Amino acid sequence: QVQLVESGGGLVKPGGSLRLSCEASGFTFNEFFMSWIRQAPGQGLEWISHITGSGKTRYYADSVKGRFTISRDNANNSVFLQMDSLRAEDTAIYYCARLYGPFDYWGQGARVTVSS
Amino acid sequence: IVLAQSPGTLSLSPGERATLSCRASQSVDGNSLAWYQHKPGQAPRLLLYGASSRATGIPDRFNGSGSGTDFTLTISRLEPEDIAVYYCQQFGSSPRTFGQGTKLEIK
Repeated sequence: QVQLVESGGGLVKPGGSLRLSCEASGFTFNEFFMSWIRQAPGQGLEWISHITGSGKTRYYADSVKGRFTISRDNANNSVFLQMDSLRAEDTAIYYCARLYGPFDYWGQGARVTVSS
Repeated sequence: IVLAQSPGTLSLSPGERATLSCRASQSVDGNSLAWYQHKPGQAPRLLLYGASSRATGIPDRFNGSGSGTDFTLTISRLEPEDIAVYYCQQFGSSPRTFGQGTKLEIK
């Protein structure tokens, strides 16, 4: 069965960096786009980035463009989110999701807190 | 595309029918509209896509309808396990956007 497991969350100071990882299993990884979606405390869901199966093309929400970088390692069935210049408003649970039209499978999420 | 969900909170009894609305600020391409169920502490789960097609393993109590700018999720014969926040999402235009969610409470 499809499984997505995020890791790398934690507490970071404003202006700092963090790298999230998502390990996938149960499907042919390089055939699917992969996404990151976040949920800030008390808020709804926000798509922030996705990457094509080959890794050649990446898309970002305006709220993170220039600060976050999505990448993938198809040999190890993993997708990453490098988050730089973090702000308090980036505090959220970050979900990895497989993109196949809708987001058809999701991980349990990684909590990121940006605070001094 | 901005998606507006109503009501914000819905409180119903077991066995009743829930009707959740999602209205788009412009027409959603090809009925590229999905519904998700999100329980606290769990991964969101895809319920419906293409406005009315159920995802794998989703019981037939969950039904979707609508087109253009108006979509509806209907949950019949409510069960206590249906407690969750339900989100609509459009994937026909970039950026992909979500509604703000409807919280379903069971009395």
